Amino acid sequence: SQQGEEDPQALSIQEGENATMNCSYKTSINNLQWYRQNSGRGLVHLILIRSNEREKHSGRLRVTLDTSKKSSSLLITASRAADTASYFCATDAWRDSSYKLIFGSGTRLLVRP
Amino acid sequence: NAGVTQTPKFQVLKTGQSMTLQCAQDMNHEYMSWYRQDPGMGLRLIHYSVGAGITDQGEVPNGYNVSRSTTEDFPLRLLSAAPSQTSVYFCASSPGLAGNTGELFFGEGSRLTVL
Repeated sequence: SQQGEEDPQALSIQEGENATMNCSYKTSINNLQWYRQNSGRGLVHLILIRSNEREKHSGRLRVTLDTSKKSSSLLITASRAADTASYFCATDAWRDSSYKLIFGSGTRLLVRP
Repeated sequence: NAGVTQTPKFQVLKTGQSMTLQCAQDMNHEYMSWYRQDPGMGLRLIHYSVGAGITDQGEVPNGYNVSRSTTEDFPLRLLSAAPSQTSVYFCASSPGLAGNTGELFFGEGSRLTVL
């Protein structure tokens, strides 16, 4: 079963608006990462937030982490058409005595010009 | 630097055939992994390796074999292809154990269809 689940599954906004995506996970983590995937391409790392951090910024990206609620959010401010992509959260986890990075099912973001 | 290179990009197999998906990285990364991506399922971890000579199973290892004889290469072998293995396969690498040291670097994917 997947560790992280993104919400919403799909999001359509107008260029210039903010986009917020949420990720919930089930077990304790060391850190949480967000990735972006353009159609037909590989995933690209956006940002990593450690379990002892509550908020992190990178350019137009803002990530928050609430370990008590086992949830994270990714905010993209002043969205652009080029932000159209799928966004995935990934959490590290100890599973079956080994250390793995597990991805959620993603949020498909459409930014309309 | 080429980063993570996957070959082939596209492959069509018949049920029961075997094949190897190749993955090579030129970043001297210790950690390498294979994921499969299916619609609505996100990415699921198949196998991973924390260094040459060391491999371990992920979430969905059945039907796949891996080996890691060098730091650079991490091939994924399908022993007897089944239609359920139709998917897009991604290879990814990291400087150290994923999660502890940061990001995964992904290849562009290999799209496999099993008829």
